[in-house]
Amino acid sequence: QKEVEQNSGPLSVPEGAIASLNCTYSDRVSQSFFWYRQYSGKSPELIMSIYSNGDKEDGRFTAQLNKASQYVSLLIRDSQPSDSATYLCAVNVYTGGFKTIFGAGTRLFVKA
Amino acid sequence: EPEVTQTPSHQVTQMGQEVILRCVPISNHLYFYWYRQILGQKVEFLVSFYNNEISEKSEIFDDQFSVERPDGSNFTLKIRSTKLEDSAMYFCASSEGPSGGTDTQYFGPGTRLTVL
Repeated sequence: QKEVEQNSGPLSVPEGAIASLNCTYSDRVSQSFFWYRQYSGKSPELIMSIYSNGDKEDGRFTAQLNKASQYVSLLIRDSQPSDSATYLCAVNVYTGGFKTIFGAGTRLFVKA
Repeated sequence: EPEVTQTPSHQVTQMGQEVILRCVPISNHLYFYWYRQILGQKVEFLVSFYNNEISEKSEIFDDQFSVERPDGSNFTLKIRSTKLEDSAMYFCASSEGPSGGTDTQYFGPGTRLTVL
């Protein structure tokens, strides 16, 4: 069973701080990794994708991937109250065809 | 900006009834997906669809489920005989290329299905 694990939180950070979200996955051959943001009652919205080991930065967001450790993380700098949401880690796995496996998500609260 | 649309936004049905959830993917996308999310739980992959065929399906996608692209724009999910446990938010998504590559999946707003 291919799994994606996340700390459910909630993670609470003050406004302006760095929020660090972590995710581990079980499938060693996975090549594509995604972070989605989901507001309550809404659909997932893609924040970042990452495919190679190392860091990838996009504005206030940095995704980090370590395939050897099967670990992917998301850093949010200068956190804003509007960043309060559930952050979903997703991994593409191959089981004869590709499918996307989501983690249960980490709830983030940014306090003003 | 192009977006995935889904109808209806909320569907209420009686147990045992058939429901069809509709999606209009982004026009130049070739790969289509259905996911479900039971309230408070994780987003779960149901099925992917390409070139009028199912590419991959999960163990959730059993014989009561079917997908179809009846015309050039719509992509539908049919649940033949709904059960109480089918109550969930159903998301449609589409991508230009296959999800195994680097193509981004764009999600629709979802249809909330309530089975009574």
